[in-house]
Amino acid sequence: SQQGEEDPQALSIQEGENATMNCSYKTSINNLQWYRQNSGRGLVHLILIRSNEREKHSGRLRVTLDTSKKSSSLLITASRAADTASYFCATDATGANSKLTFGKGITLSVRP
Amino acid sequence: DAGVIQSPRHEVTEMGQEVTLRCKPISGHNSLFWYRQTMMRGLELLIYFNNNVPIDDSGMPEDRFSAKMPNASFSTLKIQPSEPRDSAVYFCASSVWLPGADTQYFGPGTRLTVL
Repeated sequence: SQQGEEDPQALSIQEGENATMNCSYKTSINNLQWYRQNSGRGLVHLILIRSNEREKHSGRLRVTLDTSKKSSSLLITASRAADTASYFCATDATGANSKLTFGKGITLSVRP
Repeated sequence: DAGVIQSPRHEVTEMGQEVTLRCKPISGHNSLFWYRQTMMRGLELLIYFNNNVPIDDSGMPEDRFSAKMPNASFSTLKIQPSEPRDSAVYFCASSVWLPGADTQYFGPGTRLTVL
């Protein structure tokens, strides 16, 4: 089964609104990463949060990690039409030796 | 700087034919990953290499799939014989192996269609 499970599966919002996406996982991790995939393209790394961190920011992105609940959230503030893409969380499980396990992704649509 | 390079970008073949997908990782990266993406199964890790050595091939579907990494700048994924259910987008990704802090860089993918 997937290590990371994103929620919701699809999200549609208006430009300017905030988008919140959630990820849950099952095992102990070294870090959790979020990636974006535009249609027809490869995945692009957005942000990495280590297991000993609780929150991290990068531009309009904010990621939180709650290791006690084995969950993470990705917040995109002031969304733009260009943020339309699929978003994946990926976990680097303890002892996984550089292997990442990806969730099935969240499809975000931002309406202009 | 060049990112991960994959070729071909699109491949259409007939069932039973051999297919070879190619990948050139980012220079200086010492980990390489092959993934397959379909609507039904999402993104699946097939195999990965550290320093050209296969570490985990548990995701390779069956013996029809094989992967090699003869040197640090080149890897192939071969399917022989191909079947329609192999139709998918195949991604190669590379990273610098830093335990606990790996970020993977993905290529543009090869869209494979097996008729």
